[in-house]
This record gives sequence, C-alpha cells and structure tokens, in this order.
Amino acid sequence: AQSVTQLDSQVPVFEEAPVELRCNYSSSVSVYLFWYVQYPNQGLQLLLKYLSGSTLVKGINGFEAEFNKSQTSFHLRKPSVHISDTAEYFCAVTPLRGGADGLTFGKGTHLIIQP
Amino acid sequence: DTGVSQDPRHKITKRGQNVTFRCDPISEHNRLYWYRQTLGQGPEFLTYFQNEAQLEKSRLLSDRFSAERPKGSFSTLEIQRTEQGDSAMYLCASSLRDPFNEQFFGPGTRLTVL
Repeated sequence: AQSVTQLDSQVPVFEEAPVELRCNYSSSVSVYLFWYVQYPNQGLQLLLKYLSGSTLVKGINGFEAEFNKSQTSFHLRKPSVHISDTAEYFCAVTPLRGGADGLTFGKGTHLIIQP
Repeated sequence: DTGVSQDPRHKITKRGQNVTFRCDPISEHNRLYWYRQTLGQGPEFLTYFQNEAQLEKSRLLSDRFSAERPKGSFSTLEIQRTEQGDSAMYLCASSLRDPFNEQFFGPGTRLTVL
C-alpha cells in the first residue's frame, strides 16, 4: 500500500515570490509520482509526472519538481508565482507494476497568492 | 475532444434513496477510474475498468457501491441506500491503455445526502 503526505495544508505566498510545496510518500514498492492542480470549480489537471530518468521534472505553467528517492520526496517548486496560480495542489503516486491500483493522493495544499 | 463529462453535476437526495452517476470518458481512452473526494481531502480511488472489465473493485467503500461499464464506453456508479456519510464529490477519470499515461479527470458529481 502507498501513502502520500503533504505537509502544509495552506501556503500563503506573495506574488512574484518563489514557492515550494512539499510532498513525501511511503510505499513498499517503487512508484510513479504526479502533481495535479485543481483550480476553483474546475477538474483536476496534471501539472507534471516522474516516471524515470532525470530526477528534475518540468511541467506546465513554469512548475518543476524534484524526485528524491532517499528522502522519498517529490517537492513542487515555482520560481515566481502569479495570482492565477491560486489553487489546490495534489501530490499522487501509483505503483510501477501497473495502473490497476489507481492513484493515491495526498490531502492537498492550498496555495494562496497575496498581491 | 470534449474531455471527460459527468452527469449530473449536482445531486441532492434523501437518506435511503438510490443514486446513479454517469461518466463519459474521452472517446479513445479504454481505461476509466472512479474516485471519491470529501471536503479537505484528496481524491480516494474506488474502482477501475479496462474496456468493459472491472479489474479492481476491492476499494469500493461498501457493498452499497457498484459500478458498470457495459460496452466499454460510458460508466455508471450506483450507490444504494444512501447515507449522510456518502456526501462527497465523485470524480471520474480516463486514460489510454498505458497505465502511466495521464489520467484526465471530469468535473465531478457533487452528492448531498439529507
């Protein structure tokens, strides 16, 4: 079984400042990792994913994340945030052996951009 | 490509009633997933289909929950004898056969049980 911990339920950041949203996971097997974003009144949208290869992954809207196997982390970063980044961000994992188990999500982090 | 659609978007029902939700995946996607999301939580995986075959259903929350995908296209999720604890957002997602492809999520059906 897998579990995902997002350490911050809310992160307030000033516009144009950098941000890091933290994600740690626990699993007895190797996993693939994802970050999804949920804008107000919209469905979940994939930001980025780590399957293999380079541990630094770039996604849409200027976001990137770094996979750290030893620390079982997959933190999301953006160097300069905008008001439009205000949303709920979810970290998720799925086991390598296949998609049958679906995605296991964290509880989410609400990113609040202050002008 | 119109994306994943779900119907209805909102459902209010009385405790003890049965409800059924529909999900229409992206047309070429043969994998379909159902999730439940309660307030302040991330989505929770419920069940999964590849074409018409339900390959994982042990995560369904109780025997009151069931899902079908009879022709490998749209899917339905039914909750029998609803309880107030069933109030949540029910999400559907679809993807291509490769399990590591992106899951595209629908807007969800919000269920309120009075």
